[in-house]
Amino acid sequence: AQKITQTQPGMFVQEKEAVTLDCTYDTSDPSYGLFWYKQPSSGEMIFLIYQGSYDQQNATEGRYSLNFQKARKSANLVISASQLGDSAMYFCAMREGPSSGYALNFGKGTSLLVTP
Amino acid sequence: EPEVTQTPSHQVTQMGQEVILRCVPISNHLYFYWYRQILGQKVEFLVSFYNNEISEKSEIFDDQFSVERPDGSNFTLKIRSTKLEDSAMYFCASSELASSYEQYFGPGTRLTVT
Repeated sequence: AQKITQTQPGMFVQEKEAVTLDCTYDTSDPSYGLFWYKQPSSGEMIFLIYQGSYDQQNATEGRYSLNFQKARKSANLVISASQLGDSAMYFCAMREGPSSGYALNFGKGTSLLVTP
Repeated sequence: EPEVTQTPSHQVTQMGQEVILRCVPISNHLYFYWYRQILGQKVEFLVSFYNNEISEKSEIFDDQFSVERPDGSNFTLKIRSTKLEDSAMYFCASSELASSYEQYFGPGTRLTVT
């Protein structure tokens, strides 16, 4: 069974608009972490934002915020004021507790295209 | 800012040959990881390594794969007898602690098996 589901293979957004990239997850571990990574066409993986399962507040990092809804098991990434340089693949990932070796489990990704 | 480095950036090899992919993790990090990404697919976990031994490995990490920390700085992934389906981008990552919230990824090595 998929642990991380990203249902949007591709998204378009106009420059300066906000966009939400969806991510749902599945775990029975009470302690876990959720991550978003950006992968531009050059291929590197760039860490964007992290949310711990016990964090009370939604994580924010500059223009990135994570809409964490624990009961719904969703961890959507919100990018505000999109820029052309935001065009990339975006991966949601989850890390579970010690029994999983702290490995990151990735979703299939969402391709975001920001248009002028 | 410290970063994870990987060499080579691109490796082309013939089927059946052995390859060694090299990584230099961030110097004070203790946990190391290898992931791979087949073109157009998601990133998949291969193996995690701590204190000179494998702490976790996935089903992908079979007997043809091995990892090693031959000295205080390098972390290598060896594929003994490459297959066409091993063609992928291989990412090394490191973290300071197992529970560190961030794993820092290297730029990747693109492996092409012909």
